[in-house]
Amino acid sequence: QVQLKESGPGLVQPSETLSLTCTVSGFSLTSYGVNWVRQPPGKGLEWMGTIWNDGSTDYNSALKSRLSISRDTSKSQVFLKMNSLQTEDTAIYLCARGAPFAYWGQGTLVTVSS
Amino acid sequence: DIQMTQSPPSLSASLGDKVTITCQASQNINKYIAWYQQKPGKAPRLLIRYTSTLESGTPSRFSGSGSGRDYSFSISNVESEDIASYYCLQYVNLPYTFGAGTKLELK
Repeated sequence: QVQLKESGPGLVQPSETLSLTCTVSGFSLTSYGVNWVRQPPGKGLEWMGTIWNDGSTDYNSALKSRLSISRDTSKSQVFLKMNSLQTEDTAIYLCARGAPFAYWGQGTLVTVSS
Repeated sequence: DIQMTQSPPSLSASLGDKVTITCQASQNINKYIAWYQQKPGKAPRLLIRYTSTLESGTPSRFSGSGSGRDYSFSISNVESEDIASYYCLQYVNLPYTFGAGTKLELK
């Protein structure tokens, strides 16, 4: 069955870089795009970006200067890197397949704090 | 960017009630709207895609309708398991954008 699972550090220092991994199973990254979505605690959902099945990427313009999404198809992994983190980047980060987002990981909480 | 104006922000209902949530897009989204249910500590769950197509496993008491800029999502006969937050999503254009959410509570 289709599964996605996020992993990464729970705590990041301000101004540092966040690195997250989304490991997928049950489908191929060359067949489906994968998105990153985040949700600050108690707030709404924000689409961050997509890596498409052909490996191309699109980003939310609000984050584009800080965000990079890549993948390793052999490991069925999608990577998110975002630099210059601030406290307002504290959120649950989720990966999700396709559009609309039918399959989601469980999310990983990232806290930006010194 | 397409803005999705979702209302109301919160809703109080009794078991068995019918409730309706609306989303208005800032431009025509050609029915490319999806509706999600989210319970605390869980990822969103896709309930409806393309305005009115129920996902497998979505109970028939959930429904969606609309066209152009204006869309609605309804739950008839609210059950206790429906207590959650609900979000709309437009996926016709990038950036994909969500509504701000509606929190459904029991009266």
